[in-house]
Amino acid sequence: DAMVIQNPRYQVTQFGKPVTLSCSQTLNHNVMYWYQQKSSQAPKLLFHYYDKDFNNEADTPDNFQSRRPNTSFCFLDIRSPGLGDAAMYLCATSRDRTGPNEKLFFGSGTQLSVL
Amino acid sequence: ILNVEQSPQSLHVQEGDSTNFTCSFPSSNFYALHWYRWETAKSPEALFVMTLNGDEKKKGRISATLNTKEGYSYLYIKGSQPEDSATYLCAREGDSSYKLIFGSGTRLLVRP
Repeated sequence: DAMVIQNPRYQVTQFGKPVTLSCSQTLNHNVMYWYQQKSSQAPKLLFHYYDKDFNNEADTPDNFQSRRPNTSFCFLDIRSPGLGDAAMYLCATSRDRTGPNEKLFFGSGTQLSVL
Repeated sequence: ILNVEQSPQSLHVQEGDSTNFTCSFPSSNFYALHWYRWETAKSPEALFVMTLNGDEKKKGRISATLNTKEGYSYLYIKGSQPEDSATYLCAREGDSSYKLIFGSGTRLLVRP
């Protein structure tokens, strides 16, 4: 019944070694989001896709890229992970851009460790 | 208030106690306020989305109120149960309609 699926649950990578996190959804939602949450901090939006239209937040580092090959899948690529990139990465979807009756549907997250 | 702030950061209560916590947010250009519950090792799940000043919403033993003029929302849990243990996140939707600004959450632990 899982509607937004993130793999893997835990990811360990080495400093500077590219890593890709994946997210898939069975909801056929137009919008997909990637949030980063560092320990005890607020989740922070990195970017989102509205259909195929990519929208980057102004303060998202260039080290982070994203791909959405189709409606169901979205990937987060970290080109050269640093120690500061260790965090929980949450994928979320919404039917449309958030509005008064919209809510986000989240995956269970990928906890990234950088050694 | 420039950011979304939640208090307390963590809370331990005994089973059966009622509890409440606060979300404060910028009141200007307000559009909606979301509450999510995030249990350990699970996905955050939406509890409420509120838009109007004075809104009150209820889901079982959990309810929330909204004051958009002064920029705060309260979440209440009546008769807390161990299964209520989770992090409760609020998020404000404002100027940019797609963007939710989250607080850092209130972590609730209900002891049996």
